[in-house]
Amino acid sequence: SQTIHQWPATLVQPVGSPLSLECTVEGTSNPNLYWYRQAAGRGLQLLFYSVGIGQISSEVPQNLSASRPQDRQFILSSKKLLLSDSGFYLCAWSVQGARNEQFFGPGTRLTVL
Amino acid sequence: AQSVTQPDIHITVSEGASLELRCNYSYGATPYLFWYVQSPGQGLQLLLKYFSGDTLVQGIKGFEAEFKRSQSSFNLRKPSVHWSDAAEYFCAVGAVGYSTLTFGKGTMLLVSP
Repeated sequence: SQTIHQWPATLVQPVGSPLSLECTVEGTSNPNLYWYRQAAGRGLQLLFYSVGIGQISSEVPQNLSASRPQDRQFILSSKKLLLSDSGFYLCAWSVQGARNEQFFGPGTRLTVL
Repeated sequence: AQSVTQPDIHITVSEGASLELRCNYSYGATPYLFWYVQSPGQGLQLLLKYFSGDTLVQGIKGFEAEFKRSQSSFNLRKPSVHWSDAAEYFCAVGAVGYSTLTFGKGTMLLVSP
């Protein structure tokens, strides 16, 4: 069966510090991968998605970036965090061509102080 | 492009009462439709999905949803709500040729004793 992991589970970082959140999927090959952010009261915002290694699509211009160095690994990064980057970050995956049914990881709670 | 509207931000239901959460979508062709549930601090869990065929779909935890093309709706229902159903519910729409889902802003369900 497939599983999706995210770490860390929680993170408290000062403004201006770098960020690296990691997401890995097990039990499947060549998945679509997604990064979402939930800010308080603002629903689910798609940040990036990837349909293959090195292929990243950005949905929202910001100071975040994403990379996919391996087939089942998706990394969300920032060089300098802003207060507005605080939120709950979710990674998800889907089978390519399978009608976009997405499966979500447990999330990372990021607080920028 | 698709869009999703969940008109109710919060809904309070008494335990044991029936529940209906509304979802309206905008898309020219037949969409792929999903309902997800999120408990506080956790990722999203898929409740049910509609791709084609029978317009009444059954999901996990006793939930069902009905696709009504004429009303562009995919409302979620449960005949008897349990206190453990208190959570946030998201409706999402996908489409052929798209690698992403469009999510509604969510409806927070509160269950009163």
